[in-house]
Amino acid sequence: EIVLTQSPGTLSLSPGERAIVSCRASQSVSSNLAWYLQKPGQAPRLLIYDENNRATGVPDRFSGSGSGTDFTLTISRLEPEDFAVYYCQQYGSAPRTFGQGTKLEI
Amino acid sequence: EVQLLESGGGLVQPGGALRLSCAASGFTLSNYGVSWVRQAPGKGLEWVSAIGSIGTYTSYADSVKGRFTVSRDDSKKTPYLQMNSLRGDDTAVYYCAKSAANSFHSPFDCWGQGTLVTVSS
Repeated sequence: EIVLTQSPGTLSLSPGERAIVSCRASQSVSSNLAWYLQKPGQAPRLLIYDENNRATGVPDRFSGSGSGTDFTLTISRLEPEDFAVYYCQQYGSAPRTFGQGTKLEI
Repeated sequence: EVQLLESGGGLVQPGGALRLSCAASGFTLSNYGVSWVRQAPGKGLEWVSAIGSIGTYTSYADSVKGRFTVSRDDSKKTPYLQMNSLRGDDTAVYYCAKSAANSFHSPFDCWGQGTLVTVSS
């Protein structure tokens, strides 16, 4: 099973700042990596897939990068609605696994 | 609009069973795989099970293998998760999620709102 480790666990920032969340895989997942956002009481929402492609309707302040085992989600200028929990997920190998989550807080 | 709507959750005693349903609308279910993902209270996401389009494959997390069974009825536009021999650590919100493409190597581009399963005596 591929283990995904996200860092940091919690990120404290202010609106307008840049956020960077990392996701490291225990073995290569090629480009089969996605990022999701989850707000309290809501289902996760797909943000980025195939490492660096934005899902439909996702603002361009969200971007993904990396390959193989090291990936990064960058939010260029934080908006109030961006403060939530972010998860990475690999779908290159079974079982599909998620990172433990990164809480982005004000 | 693409939508998934789970149902079937509730309170069940340890050792009991539940069947979750996931009503799909706004897309042709038969063209896509579906997964079940759960989230224990205050915890992260855990992938549980998946079924390919037209049932081409099924897979399970080790934690549920032999106890849970995933299936689908495309005529009713509904995937299912049959959960038997439930344990306390199965307590979670269960989400169904649609694969973005007809491939295992695909993220989940649509999620249901979730249904809560509580296993307790």
